[in-house]
Amino acid sequence: KAGVTQTPRYLIKTRGQQVTLSCSPISGHRSVSWYQQTPGQGLQFLFEYFSETQRNKGNFPGRFSGRQFSNSRSEMNVSTLELGDSALYLCASSLRGQGALETQYFGPGTRLLVL
Amino acid sequence: DQQVKQNSPSLSVQEGRISILNCDYTNSMFDYFLWYKKYPAEGPTFLISISSIKDKNEDGRFTVFLNKSAKHLSLHIVPSQPGDSAVYFCAAVNSGGSNYKLTFGKGTLLTVNP
Repeated sequence: KAGVTQTPRYLIKTRGQQVTLSCSPISGHRSVSWYQQTPGQGLQFLFEYFSETQRNKGNFPGRFSGRQFSNSRSEMNVSTLELGDSALYLCASSLRGQGALETQYFGPGTRLLVL
Repeated sequence: DQQVKQNSPSLSVQEGRISILNCDYTNSMFDYFLWYKKYPAEGPTFLISISSIKDKNEDGRFTVFLNKSAKHLSLHIVPSQPGDSAVYFCAAVNSGGSNYKLTFGKGTLLTVNP
């Protein structure tokens, strides 16, 4: 069974631009969560989608948004990029997204560099 | 406010010895705890978990201990192997809530020297 895939793997943008990252969950998984990893803050939860609905959201500004499609694939968008948005963005999928009751499987991440 | 803290950014041990990674939490609503391991250029992978109804869970070389009164958990790796060198993240969740998110610590880089 294929794992979680994320595209692109690496991205360089400039301040003020916007970016869209994509995540394909494991086949059959309906929950997709997004995390931001930075050296200073570790892994921080962005949002979780289940059946095309955002179920939960972390403490990030409105510039960060996401969506999920009917095939469970998910995208996240960051508008008006800032230097501080440089990070590794990780996507994780699980069957139902019931938090600890299921293992979350992570993709390799998209490394975003904002210049 | 960091609800899950891993106060040691790094740890270095010799092959064959025990590695002990520590994690503290502040939110008393957390009742399920997980450890993830992350190699460079890969996403985190689930390692082991423990429910708050237990104080110990063991899986092969990995054992997690939970001290609820101290709001502290630790991961023991015995014996440590060079392949265990990675960043280890502690995570916590309130499994009874509708909040389907894991709260992670900042991670501890473990280096196991041959």
